[in-house]
Amino acid sequence: DTAVSQTPKYLVTQMGNDKSIKCEQNLGHDTMYWYKQDSKKFLKIMFSYNNKELIINETVPNRFSPKSPDKAHLNLHINSLELGDSAVYFCASSRFVASGVETQYFGPGTRLLVL
Amino acid sequence: EDQVTQSPEALRLQEGESSSLNCSYTVSGLRGLFWYRQDPGKGPEFLFTLYSAGEEKEKERLKATLTKKESFLHITAPKPEDSATYLCAVQAANNDMRFGAGTRLTVKP
Repeated sequence: DTAVSQTPKYLVTQMGNDKSIKCEQNLGHDTMYWYKQDSKKFLKIMFSYNNKELIINETVPNRFSPKSPDKAHLNLHINSLELGDSAVYFCASSRFVASGVETQYFGPGTRLLVL
Repeated sequence: EDQVTQSPEALRLQEGESSSLNCSYTVSGLRGLFWYRQDPGKGPEFLFTLYSAGEEKEKERLKATLTKKESFLHITAPKPEDSATYLCAVQAANNDMRFGAGTRLTVKP
C-alpha cells in the first residue's frame, strides 16, 4: 500500500528520445510535485500542480511537461532528452491545509540515465 | 534569494555518540521548516515540520529545534540504523520550497 509510487524505477535511454515517468498517490492529496535530484544530491522543485494551478519553476526547460489525468496521478513527459537530464526524479504529494504549510510525501524516485 | 545551508556535509559518529546537525536558512517569511531522512536509493522520508521559532519536536532519538535563523537536528545515542542523509527544507511565504544539500550521517557500531 505504497503512498506515492513511481514507474519506472530505472530508465536508460538515448539522447533525443522522448520518455515519460508515471506517478500515483493514494493519500487523497490535492497537490503533486516533481523534483529533480542531481549528482550533488540537491533536490530542486520542477513543478507543483493541483486541479487549479500549475506552477512551473522558471529554470525548467519546456521539454519537460507534467500531465495529470486525475487528482491521483501526475506524469512527467520529457521530449528530446539530453545528457544533462540524467538525474533522479522524485514525485511528491501534499494535502492542502489552511495554514499553507504543506508537508510533502515523496515517492521512491526514478533514476534516469541518458546515453 | 532564499537559501538553505546544511552543515556539516558529512558526519561520522560512533554508536552512542550524540551530536547535532545544523540547517541555516534565509527566507522571505518562513511558513514551515521540514526535516527529512533519505536512505540510499530511496525517496526522502518525512520526519518533522516546525512552524515557528522556539518550537521543538521529538521522535525516538531525534529532536528538532527552530530559531529565527536556523534549525538543529539533535541525535541522542545514535545507532547504526540512523545512518542516512538528513535533508532540511524551508517553505517560504510565497510557497516556494527550497532544500539544503543534506548531511550524510554515518554511525559506526
